[in-house]
Amino acid sequence: GAGVSQSPSNKVTEKGKDVELRCDPISGHTALYWYRQSLGQGLEFLIYFQGNSAPDKSGLPSDRFSAERTGGSVSTLTIQRTQQEDSAVYLCASSLRSNQPQHFGDGTRLSIL
Amino acid sequence: ELKVEQNPLFLSMQEGKNYTIYCNYSTTSDRLYWYRQDPGKSLESLFVLLSNGAVKQEGRLMASLDTKARLSTLHITAAVHDLSATYFCAVDNSNYQLIWGAGTKLIIKP
Repeated sequence: GAGVSQSPSNKVTEKGKDVELRCDPISGHTALYWYRQSLGQGLEFLIYFQGNSAPDKSGLPSDRFSAERTGGSVSTLTIQRTQQEDSAVYLCASSLRSNQPQHFGDGTRLSIL
Repeated sequence: ELKVEQNPLFLSMQEGKNYTIYCNYSTTSDRLYWYRQDPGKSLESLFVLLSNGAVKQEGRLMASLDTKARLSTLHITAAVHDLSATYFCAVDNSNYQLIWGAGTKLIIKP
């Protein structure tokens, strides 16, 4: 597609459940990023993938969070045993290379009841 | 640790007026981005500033970078309602990690 695609756009789930968020980056973009944005706040870096290199997971807030990127394209962010503080908008971005402007998807709004 | 501060965090202004949003950062960086976010929407890249003294303009928006002062400004000239949005600056911490300001919510009243 023309832009970064994320799904689902909205997700409501009960505390303790696992959720999986999907990001389909722009074709040909080697770098992929996940961010979290809480209401009225800036972006919090979560994880970064560059090509086939090991991902930078330094921003993941706990071991309940994990992400993978298959075949250098689609990425999934998984949150296990969700907590209410996980409620936020999760944004995915991709860029042609790591030092290029990032193009963002519309995000997944996650609400934990 | 790189920290990025924007001010003001909230700005309400009349159409036709000029104003400036400031972005200060705490450690050396040679790459700074400005993004726009409309309510409920994702982020749109506005400017990339790559060197000291860089100035870029697009319509009524002009961005500049002073790496010595660790300061970037986003200047709005003769504001129009369509520019209402939240504006973020983001500073390159290394080769790939961006550190984001908290955003400036701009409301432009007709």
